[in-house]
Amino acid sequence: EAQVTQNPRYLITVTGKKLTVTCSQNMNHEYMSWYRQDPGLGLRQIYYSMNVEVTDKGDVPEGYKVSRKEKRNFPLILESPSPNQTSLYFCASGLTGTSPLHFGNGTRLTVT
Amino acid sequence: AQSVTQPDIHITVSEGASLELRCNYSYGATPYLFWYVQSPGQGLQLLLKYFSGDTLVQGIKGFEAEFKRSQSSFNLRKPSVHWSDAAEYFCASKTSYDKVIFGPGTSLSVIP
Repeated sequence: EAQVTQNPRYLITVTGKKLTVTCSQNMNHEYMSWYRQDPGLGLRQIYYSMNVEVTDKGDVPEGYKVSRKEKRNFPLILESPSPNQTSLYFCASGLTGTSPLHFGNGTRLTVT
Repeated sequence: AQSVTQPDIHITVSEGASLELRCNYSYGATPYLFWYVQSPGQGLQLLLKYFSGDTLVQGIKGFEAEFKRSQSSFNLRKPSVHWSDAAEYFCASKTSYDKVIFGPGTSLSVIP
């Protein structure tokens, strides 16, 4: 089954404690992206990757890091989380950046 | 800046009634346009897309959308809403940077 898998689904952490949210896709997609969803703001892009070892900033990259060492994986790293990063995060993949996207089920992060 | 607007934050309809969700985009060239649906606790799922050709496009779950260049609109319609259609709906558009941006979403409630 074609899918994008994110883990964990829920995460509660404290300010400053490094965390990683994993994302994996099994569709051999070139393009992967991270979004955060906040009420009234829709989805805002954090980082994206056009291919292995190619990543670029989206609209709200501050406080986040990503890496794309393998085609299937695109982890999101928060090295020093802060309360304003409390949000619902989605990973997505597609053939290209303007193709229809496949989304994971989301990770709800709470930073206290 | 290029943007996607969804004028209605929340819409409530009765089951069996018709539905129209509005979307306006600002990308000047021929746009790629999408509608996604997000059910509670789930990621986004593609409903339909428009790249070119016939301006009336059919999607899954009985939805359709009409592209109107003169109005910069891509409104989503369904002739008869089911209770299971209650969800958040996002319109999205390609930008000149070969990225896709999302509108803020419209939350749909369905009264039995």
